Amino acid sequence: AQSVTQLGSHVSVSEGALVLLRCNYSSSVPPYLFWYVQYPNQGLQLLLKYTSAATLVKGINGFEAEFKKSETSFHLTKPSAHMSDAAEYFCAVSEGGGTSYGKLTFGQGTILTVHP
Amino acid sequence: KAGVTQTPRYLIKTRGQQVTLSCSPISGHRSVSWYQQTPGQGLQFLFEYFSETQRNKGNFPGRFSGRQFSNSRSEMNVSTLELGDSALYLCASSSVGPTDTQYFGPGTRLTVL
Repeated sequence: AQSVTQLGSHVSVSEGALVLLRCNYSSSVPPYLFWYVQYPNQGLQLLLKYTSAATLVKGINGFEAEFKKSETSFHLTKPSAHMSDAAEYFCAVSEGGGTSYGKLTFGQGTILTVHP
Repeated sequence: KAGVTQTPRYLIKTRGQQVTLSCSPISGHRSVSWYQQTPGQGLQFLFEYFSETQRNKGNFPGRFSGRQFSNSRSEMNVSTLELGDSALYLCASSSVGPTDTQYFGPGTRLTVL
């Protein structure tokens, strides 16, 4: 069964500082991994996805994530935080077809606060 | 392309009632998945439909059901509402293929009193 653990339910950074949101996954097959962002009272917006093409994945708004199979991690980073990055971030895993059709398994989310 | 739309956006019901939520996927997307989001349990998968067939189901009681129409629009129904059903219900659509990204709608906020 697939699972996702996001370390840290709250992360606080200063504007301009590095953002690092941690995600570890468990999967019985090579996984597909995603990061989504959710702003208050909105749905989820895709930031980036890993589908085995390249281990370093670049997404929107300056975010990127690196897939590390040996560490079963897919941490999200951004070199310089902006006030508009304040939101909740979710890491998700999919095992593709078979019994996992259409199913994403999400972590518990990390709320990012950015201080001026 | 228009995004995923969900109606209604907000809903207030009382215990014991039933409710139907609607989701219109992105044009050309044939897969629709539903999720429940609560502060306590986070985001949980309800079910997925593809070409009018339910292909996958999460761990929810039978009070939660869904269907998909020939135009790929989907509805989910919750019968005999309980207080614990208060949540944000999110719908996501994707095109064919296991790696295809799910695009989410804005959600329907259901409050059960």
